[in-house]
Amino acid sequence: QVQLVESGGGVVQPGRSLRLSCAASGFTFSSYGMYWVRQAPGKGLEWVAVISYDGSNNYYADSVKGRFTISRDNSKNTLYLQMNSLRAEDTAVYYCAKDLIANIDNYGMDVWGQGTTVTVSS
Amino acid sequence: AIQMTQSPSSLSASVGDRVTITCRASQGIRNDLGWYQQKPGKAPKLLIYAASRLQSGVPSRFSGSGSGTDFTLTISSLQPEDFAAYYCLQDYTYPYTFGQGTKLEIK
Repeated sequence: QVQLVESGGGVVQPGRSLRLSCAASGFTFSSYGMYWVRQAPGKGLEWVAVISYDGSNNYYADSVKGRFTISRDNSKNTLYLQMNSLRAEDTAVYYCAKDLIANIDNYGMDVWGQGTTVTVSS
Repeated sequence: AIQMTQSPSSLSASVGDRVTITCRASQGIRNDLGWYQQKPGKAPKLLIYAASRLQSGVPSRFSGSGSGTDFTLTISSLQPEDFAAYYCLQDYTYPYTFGQGTKLEIK
């Protein structure tokens, strides 16, 4: 079945780095745009970043631009989020998600991972 | 970035009620809007995309409407499993932005 599994979360000190991974299975990963969305404790959803199906285009929320980098390895069916210069306000559950329709990026995100928790604290 | 204003932020209703949640965009977004349901401790679930298209497997009591700047999600007859948080998301232009959410609670 179609599945996304995040990993790499943990506790990290402010200013340090962390890399999240999202392993995909059950669909043609290389045909779909992929996203990261986060949710701070007790708060709403925040869109973080997107990468096109072939990795040629990516966009970021203003809150993470210049600090976070989204990437993908289509040979490994894996999505990444490199997070640098982490701040307390980056503390959240991070979800990866896929586009509903291959090669079309504005029809919603239909499959989500279970989330991985990042805590930024000294 | 486009701002999405969702209302109400919370709502108490009973099983069988008809409920409407609204989302307003700070600029026109055509019909590039989705609605998501999230239950505590779970990942969001896509309910509606392109403002009014029902995602596969979602019950028909859920419906969406709107275009431009004003959108609504309607649940025609609330069921016990519908008590959750709901979010709109504009996917018209990057950065995508969510509304602040509506928590639907049992009266």
